[in-house]
Amino acid sequence: SQTIHQWPATLVQPVGSPLSLECTVEGTSNPNLYWYRQAAGRGLQLLFYSVGIGQISSEVPQNLSASRPQDRQFILSSKKLLLSDSGFYLCAWSVGSRTSNQPQHFGDGTRLSIL
Amino acid sequence: AQSVTQPDIHITVSEGASLELRCNYSYGATPYLFWYVQSPGQGLQLLLKYFSGDTLVQGIKGFEAEFKRSQSSFNLRKPSVHWSDAAEYFCAVGALYSSASKIIFGSGTRLSIRP
Repeated sequence: SQTIHQWPATLVQPVGSPLSLECTVEGTSNPNLYWYRQAAGRGLQLLFYSVGIGQISSEVPQNLSASRPQDRQFILSSKKLLLSDSGFYLCAWSVGSRTSNQPQHFGDGTRLSIL
Repeated sequence: AQSVTQPDIHITVSEGASLELRCNYSYGATPYLFWYVQSPGQGLQLLLKYFSGDTLVQGIKGFEAEFKRSQSSFNLRKPSVHWSDAAEYFCAVGALYSSASKIIFGSGTRLSIRP
């Protein structure tokens, strides 16, 4: 069966510091991968998605970037964190498909607090 | 453009009572619809999905949802709620973009259970 792992679970970082959040998927090949941010009490905002190695699409301009160095690895990064980057970050995967009927499966999230 | 509306931000029901969470969508073609549940500090778990066929779909944890095309609705129901059902519930519609399937989420409904 497929599993998705995110780490760390929680992270406290000072303003201006770099960031690296990692997500890996097991048990499937060539998945679509997604990064979301969820602000407190809010819905989900899609940040990035990827349909293959090295292929990253950004949904919103921001202080963050994403990379996919391996088929089942998705990394969210920042060179200098801002206070507004605080939030709950979720990674998700779906079957690699160009149809719209694929559900997404989520990791347990990373709680990021910026001080 | 595709969109999902969950008109109720917060609902409180008594344990053992029935539940209905509302969801309306806007989509130009046959929608693919999903309901997810998120416990505090956790990722999202897929409850059920509708692609086609029978408009009443059964999910996990005793939930069901009914697709009504004439009303553009996909309401989630449960005959008798348990305290463990307290969580945030997200309705979502699958969207097809040029390179990947995406999911558009509603803003969520927080469910509280009264003892």
